[in-house]
Amino acid sequence: SQQGEEDPQALSIQEGENATMNCSYKTSINNLQWYRQNSGRGLVHLILIRSNEREKHSGRLRVTLDTSKKSSSLLITASRAADTASYFCATETFNKFYFGSGTKLNVKP
Amino acid sequence: GAVVSQHPSWVICKSGTSVKIECRSLDFQATTMFWYRQFPKQSLMLMATSNEGSKATYEQGVEKDKFLINHASLTLSTLTVTSAHPEDSSFYICSAPPWGRESQETQYFGPGTRLLVL
Repeated sequence: SQQGEEDPQALSIQEGENATMNCSYKTSINNLQWYRQNSGRGLVHLILIRSNEREKHSGRLRVTLDTSKKSSSLLITASRAADTASYFCATETFNKFYFGSGTKLNVKP
Repeated sequence: GAVVSQHPSWVICKSGTSVKIECRSLDFQATTMFWYRQFPKQSLMLMATSNEGSKATYEQGVEKDKFLINHASLTLSTLTVTSAHPEDSSFYICSAPPWGRESQETQYFGPGTRLLVL
């Protein structure tokens, strides 16, 4: 990817379990965002965390950011089958967005 | 919320032909739009930044003569894939931040255009 790697590349869990995805990036950033993409579809914005923030919550989502390690994590709690999708982190630098390699999440009912 | 549309949503063409993809901001103006390409099971790769009234800027490795970008108005950017070949088959996505908020966090993404070159 242009920006960094996400791990795991794929994650399969049972409904109700938590899912954690990690993202590493290469350059200094203004903010980091997480998106989801259903197969063959467009992107849906999930949450944004600014470079001066360390943690943010939105519903079942929790995002952390460690700028010293250039990494972020996305936690989805109490997962649902409808959460099945690919998840991408994206960093914004100089008004451009660069995406990570993505994590493919499969939530089994 | 703000909406970005793309047309067509999918296109199949013969090798050697040119294909134009439109990206429109429907309820806001955008002086800047971004074009991405996504190959199957891969991430989005930023191709270029489309600037209204000036030339587009391309990311390293993207051929500007191959992927022609025209930002005709504050609501429309077009990407033309010239002399398309099978390796250009991909999912092309545009995005736009609302005018005056280019340095802000929010960008609105189009639904994507799937291109298949035979």
